[in-house]
Amino acid sequence: KNQVEQSPQSLIILEGKNCTLQCNYTVSPFSNLRWYKQDTGRGPVSLTIMTFSENTKSNGRYTATLDADTKQSSLHITASQLSDSASYICVVGDSGGGADGLTFGKGTHLIIQP
Amino acid sequence: GAGVSQSPSNKVTEKGKDVELRCDPISGHTALYWYRQRLGQGLEFLIYFQGNSAPDKSGLPSDRFSAERTGESVSTLTIQRTQQEDSAVYLCASSPVAGGKYEQYFGPGTRLTVT
Repeated sequence: KNQVEQSPQSLIILEGKNCTLQCNYTVSPFSNLRWYKQDTGRGPVSLTIMTFSENTKSNGRYTATLDADTKQSSLHITASQLSDSASYICVVGDSGGGADGLTFGKGTHLIIQP
Repeated sequence: GAGVSQSPSNKVTEKGKDVELRCDPISGHTALYWYRQRLGQGLEFLIYFQGNSAPDKSGLPSDRFSAERTGESVSTLTIQRTQQEDSAVYLCASSPVAGGKYEQYFGPGTRLTVT
């Protein structure tokens, strides 16, 4: 069964600090891995999407890494800002042509404190 | 262009009543998905539509849930005889084509509260 596990479940850091969120997956056949940011009361918004051949991708202060051998990904946030407070969801897509083709993690709830 | 829109943004209903949720996808997107997100939980796939093909209903939790979509336009998710466990945020997403390879664009969701 395809699964995506995220850690930590929640995280509180001070404004300006860096943090790293983790995602482990068992999805086959692997197609891509995405990180979404979901603000409270809003729908998820895509931050990065990586395919098998990509091992890092940046979007401003967000940098995602992918290790397809160990089936792990991380999202690193640099110089955090109050607006980074949100849930961060790891989503893995498969290329098997199945129903929705996506497996969602439960997310990491990040709180940035001033 | 406009993103995915959903209405209403919030819905409070009494147990046993029927509710209808609406989703307007991005123009030209052939795939449309419905998800449920309970408090503190991940997204739960409900149903998806791809063009004029028969929808994939494999995620619908019970026969009280149904969805319709006319062509590649608006979709409605209907929950009959609502129960308290139906309380959740219902998210709609659209994609140029269905499948795990393609980017999804989410709407803001409808927060359903069943009292």
